[in-house]
Amino acid sequence: GAGVSQSPSNKVTEKGKDVELRCDPISGHTALYWYRQSLGQGLEFLIYFQGNSAPDKSGLPSDRFSAERTGGSVSTLTIQRTQQEDSAVYLCASSLQGPNTEAFFGQGTRLTVV
Amino acid sequence: TQLLEQSPQFLSIQEGENLTVYCNSSSVFSSLQWYRQEPGEGPVLLVTVVTGGEVKKLKRLTFQFGDARKDSSLHITAAQPGDTGLYLCAGRDSGTYKYIFGTGTRLKVLA
Repeated sequence: GAGVSQSPSNKVTEKGKDVELRCDPISGHTALYWYRQSLGQGLEFLIYFQGNSAPDKSGLPSDRFSAERTGGSVSTLTIQRTQQEDSAVYLCASSLQGPNTEAFFGQGTRLTVV
Repeated sequence: TQLLEQSPQFLSIQEGENLTVYCNSSSVFSSLQWYRQEPGEGPVLLVTVVTGGEVKKLKRLTFQFGDARKDSSLHITAAQPGDTGLYLCAGRDSGTYKYIFGTGTRLKVLA
């Protein structure tokens, strides 16, 4: 696609429910990143994919968070048993591989846990 | 742990003033990017700097990468209300290729 696409754009869920967030990267981009941004704050790294593998998942805050990527393209971030502190904007970015390439972001999914 | 500290955290200025935002780290990065983010949107890339000492200009914006590739600055000349937003620097880790984001500078330019 022309840009990184994330869905849904907004999600309101009840505490304790599971949610899935989707990211469609730019076609041909082998690297995919998930970040979390709390209101007005900087970006917190969650996980990085190179192809379908995740060489760095050090930012996942707990075992309730998981992510997968299939076919080297679409990625899904799953949050199980959501808590109110999970409320944030979840941003996905993709890039070509290489040291000096640039990351392009989607518009994010605003998750609200009530 | 790699960290990127930005300063100032908040900045409110009048239209026409100049400003500089700083991005500092103790780590060396293979490249550094600057992004601007507006409410409800994802960050949008402004520039990438790669070489130590490099200076890039984008209209009224001037970006500089430190000689040691550990720090960077963004200078805006004659700021306009359209410059309002959250400015983020991001360093690309040379080993993992992970992007480490700075803490952000929230700029408000008053007409």
